[in-house]
Amino acid sequence: AQSVAQPEDQVNVAEGNPLTVKCTYSVSGNPYLFWYVQYPNRGLQFLLKYITGDNLVKGSYGFEAEFNKSQTSFHLKKPSALVSDSALYFCAVRGYTGGFKTIFGAGTRLFVKA
Amino acid sequence: EAQVTQNPRYLITVTGKKLTVTCSQNMNHEYMSWYRQDPGLGLRQIYYSMNVEVTDKGDVPEGYKVSRKEKRNFPLILESPSPNQTSLYFCASSVVLSDQETQYFGPGTRLLVL
Repeated sequence: AQSVAQPEDQVNVAEGNPLTVKCTYSVSGNPYLFWYVQYPNRGLQFLLKYITGDNLVKGSYGFEAEFNKSQTSFHLKKPSALVSDSALYFCAVRGYTGGFKTIFGAGTRLFVKA
Repeated sequence: EAQVTQNPRYLITVTGKKLTVTCSQNMNHEYMSWYRQDPGLGLRQIYYSMNVEVTDKGDVPEGYKVSRKEKRNFPLILESPSPNQTSLYFCASSVVLSDQETQYFGPGTRLLVL
């Protein structure tokens, strides 16, 4: 069965500092992995998708995610946080088989302080 | 403008009264999904569709029905709503080309079942 864990309910970071939002996953076989962002009152947006290949995936708004197969992790990163990055972030996994079924984590709320 | 529209945006109903939430996309995408968002549980996929007349269960399909009679529309049907279906619902459409994927979300439908 597929599962996703986002171990931190909340992450606090100062503006200008690097940020990391953690995600670990469990899936049979190779995974597709995703990050999404939900800004306050602005709906959901797709950030990036990992497919087999480079372990560092670049996405929208300067975000990137690092895939680590041995640790079954897919952490979201940004070198320099902005106050406007404050939002709710979701990690998700989809197996190569099983159609389009996608499992999401519970979400991590990021607060960036000026 | 590329968009996913949902109607209604807000709905208050009573237990057992059938309702339909419409979803429409103007991008000719093959893939469409429905999700619900609940505090502490993140996003959960209800149903997805990989093309016209091709639908399948997501993570939490109980109590819901969908249909995909034409490519642009993917309505979510609650035959007999119950209070535990009170939630924020999102529709999404996706295009997948050589594993690269872009997803668009609708603005959400907030449903209250009394």
